[in-house]
Amino acid sequence: AQSVTQLDSHVSVSEGTPVLLRCNYSSSYSPSLFWYVQHPNKGLQLLLKYTSAATLVKGINGFEAEFKKSETSFHLTKPSAHMSDAAEYFCVVRTQAGTALIFGKGTTLSVSS
Amino acid sequence: NAGVTQTPKFQVLKTGQSMTLQCAQDMNHEYMSWYRQDPGMGLRLIHYSVGAGITDQGEVPNGYNVSRSTTEDFPLRLLSAAPSQTSVYFCASSYSGRTTEAFFGQGTRLTVV
Repeated sequence: AQSVTQLDSHVSVSEGTPVLLRCNYSSSYSPSLFWYVQHPNKGLQLLLKYTSAATLVKGINGFEAEFKKSETSFHLTKPSAHMSDAAEYFCVVRTQAGTALIFGKGTTLSVSS
Repeated sequence: NAGVTQTPKFQVLKTGQSMTLQCAQDMNHEYMSWYRQDPGMGLRLIHYSVGAGITDQGEVPNGYNVSRSTTEDFPLRLLSAAPSQTSVYFCASSYSGRTTEAFFGQGTRLTVV
């Protein structure tokens, strides 16, 4: 069965420093992976997706993620954090049939000035 | 273009009451699904549909009922509300296929007392 594990429940950074949110996946097939962001009391917004094209995927707001099959990882990074990046981030994989999504438990990103 | 619309945004129910959470999308998406979000648990799949007249259970289906009579609408019914169903509920829709992104509604915050 497919699954995703977000390795940190909470990450704290200072404004202007790099962001790293870690995600490992488990899948018996070539996965489609996504990162979604949820700002407080809001819905979910797609940051980026990997669908077996380029392994380095660029998303919105300066975020990017690298798919590493050998490490079964799909970590999210950003070179310089902004206060507006404070939110909850979800690593997500589509089911093999593609009919629904499986979510990680989420990582809360805090950004201090 | 409204996207995915959920109603109501907030609801308080008494234990044992029933209600329907509404979800509508105007993107002609084949796939629709319902998730619940609880602190530290990420989003968990309740039910999903791959087209009008076709539904299936997800990870946490007990206590919930769905039907899909049209492509646009996918209501979620709570048959007899319990305090354990206090949660934030999200509806999502997407085109068919494993690589497509899902679009989410703004959520319904449900409290069962």
